[in-house]
Amino acid sequence: DAKTTQPPSMDCAEGRAANLPCNHSTISGNEYVYWYRQIHSQGPQYIIHGLKNNETNEMASLIITEDRKSSTLILPHATLRDTAVYYCIVKGGNQFYFGTGTSLTVIP
Amino acid sequence: ETGVTQTPRHLVMGMTNKKSLKCEQHLGHNAMYWYKQSAKKPLELMFVYSLEERVENNSVPSRFSPECPNSSHLFLHLHTLQPEDSALYLCASSQGDTSWEKLFFGSGTQLSVL
Repeated sequence: DAKTTQPPSMDCAEGRAANLPCNHSTISGNEYVYWYRQIHSQGPQYIIHGLKNNETNEMASLIITEDRKSSTLILPHATLRDTAVYYCIVKGGNQFYFGTGTSLTVIP
Repeated sequence: ETGVTQTPRHLVMGMTNKKSLKCEQHLGHNAMYWYKQSAKKPLELMFVYSLEERVENNSVPSRFSPECPNSSHLFLHLHTLQPEDSALYLCASSQGDTSWEKLFFGSGTQLSVL
């Protein structure tokens, strides 16, 4: 069963920040939130993960709400190469549950 | 380059053929996974191997047979497949003994069953 909920699609203007939301209201206290993205017909690529605190790396920032029931992935300056499907994942047991993700289109 | 290599990249087979997909990871990980991704559908976990033992088998038909001879190699043996088995098959690996772990995916094998 999917443990996360994401909007099916979003558009973002090139150069602007892309903010991708995710709901994970049933997350347990020790479960991490992961974000991956998949460019057409390639394997998913790890972006970032977090537990409680906000996180930032060279690709993106992850903002997790205080109650941990939702999070937002931020791509600070979206480029055309960021067009992809973005998956928000909570790992349960041995399984990473990939839902349907958000298809992000960056518009020139 | 993710450190996970899948071959072949593309495969076309008939329903009576037997073929195998190969996955090799160069990351020293102890867990490996097979995922199936059909067109316009989310990734479906098929099998999980941890320390070369199968720990997950998500109701996958017996015409798919996994093999993990060592921690670096994973195979998916295919026989008498159906056209609906046409999909992108993805292999992944992770280091599964930490509180958090990253999945590293290969580029996948695009399988077409005629």
